[in-house]
Amino acid sequence: ILNVEQSPQSLHVQEGDSTNFTCSFPSSNFYALHWYRWETAKSPEALFVMTLNGDEKKKGRISATLNTKEGYSYLYIKGSQPEDSATYLCASQSNGNKLVFGAGTILRVKS
Amino acid sequence: DADVTQTPRNRITKTGKRIMLECSQTKGHDRMYWYRQDPGLGLRLIYYSFDVKDINKGEISDGYSVSRQAQAKFSLSLESAIPNQTALYFCATSQGDRDHGEQFFGPGTRLTVL
Repeated sequence: ILNVEQSPQSLHVQEGDSTNFTCSFPSSNFYALHWYRWETAKSPEALFVMTLNGDEKKKGRISATLNTKEGYSYLYIKGSQPEDSATYLCASQSNGNKLVFGAGTILRVKS
Repeated sequence: DADVTQTPRNRITKTGKRIMLECSQTKGHDRMYWYRQDPGLGLRLIYYSFDVKDINKGEISDGYSVSRQAQAKFSLSLESAIPNQTALYFCATSQGDRDHGEQFFGPGTRLTVL
């Protein structure tokens, strides 16, 4: 079983602040790293799937980077808005399509 | 209409009762998964199925069983529910290795065992 760690556990920011959080995962047998956004009372939704070392992906104000050699990924949110409030989950995938999830980072953006 | 549906959405039951949670999908995906979510622990894999004839145990399968009745349906059963099975349960699907196994989740079933 892989050990995927996310930090911080929770984060409170003001509207307009930029923020980032970390996902660390075992770098051996790496296949892919997934980021999901989970709003309360809704289904988790995929943000990014990243596979290549040094990869950077962007969707609007949200971006993510990947370092497979040292086993970490950063998720950045620029100019946070109240609608960004959610739990952000990362999941590491070594093979066989099984994802191992971290505990998530809870983001609350105050207006 | 949602691509991945779960029934029931909420259920309260008593210790010792048998419970079935159902998942249906219209995405045409071959792979289906059951997870449970507990506060501070993230999503943990209970069982997964890569096709109708393939069932595999996940990280925490004890106390659970599954049935893949068709490509579109994957049910999770708690044979004799106990209070520490109180959790939020998610079903998910994926299509082979497409998009590196991106999974699509249902809305969740909140189960309370008294």
